[in-house]
Amino acid sequence: DTEVTQTPKHLVMGMTNKKSLKCEQHMGHRAMYWYKQKAKKPPELMFVYSYEKLSINESVPSRFSPECPNSSLLNLHLHALQPEDSALYLCASSPAGQRPNTEAFFGQGTRLTVV
Amino acid sequence: SQQGEEDPQALSIQEGENATMNCSYKTSINNLQWYRQNSGRGLVHLILIRSNEREKHSGRLRVTLDTSKKSSSLLITASRAADTASYFCATAYTHGSGNTGKLIFGQGTTLQVKP
Repeated sequence: DTEVTQTPKHLVMGMTNKKSLKCEQHMGHRAMYWYKQKAKKPPELMFVYSYEKLSINESVPSRFSPECPNSSLLNLHLHALQPEDSALYLCASSPAGQRPNTEAFFGQGTRLTVV
Repeated sequence: SQQGEEDPQALSIQEGENATMNCSYKTSINNLQWYRQNSGRGLVHLILIRSNEREKHSGRLRVTLDTSKKSSSLLITASRAADTASYFCATAYTHGSGNTGKLIFGQGTTLQVKP
């Protein structure tokens, strides 16, 4: 199984809502990532988890809260988002927690619209 | 910024022609990777070239890396309409003490292959 599964595929939420994005992989990868991608732009790194611990936070606003409950799951909790947070949110995983010497596997993304 | 810069931003060719995309980056890297993205969905890994390699082939793909110029190129030979997609280079860095890696994407090239 070489898949990274993200749910939901689409999400529309109001600015006062609380929602969560979920990501799951069963490849035994110990590094997991959240990226945000706006239309016609490259993916921007948000968070990196290494061995279930948050190792990189790219100065992401606190309205985005990541969680890694175990080595297969990665969540992104959303609260009080703004319309400008509307984007494609991509989860990825890779085999190594140290030195990214291998490819990353990406999920299909969650297309988020904040209204 | 550690992000790679790519050119051209957009490329339109006829089926059967070759497509060349270039990527430049700013700091030392562990490796450089190329990804493909269809219609704003998940990214698919194409090829990885390590910092001590100069050229790599995979099927119709040829990647070169010049660490002295901090640049890479992706050549797709004998292009097909199905190659129409966005292509991103991604540079892999070791973060902090070396226990975590970052994968940072370039701006991307949108390739259109006309039948």
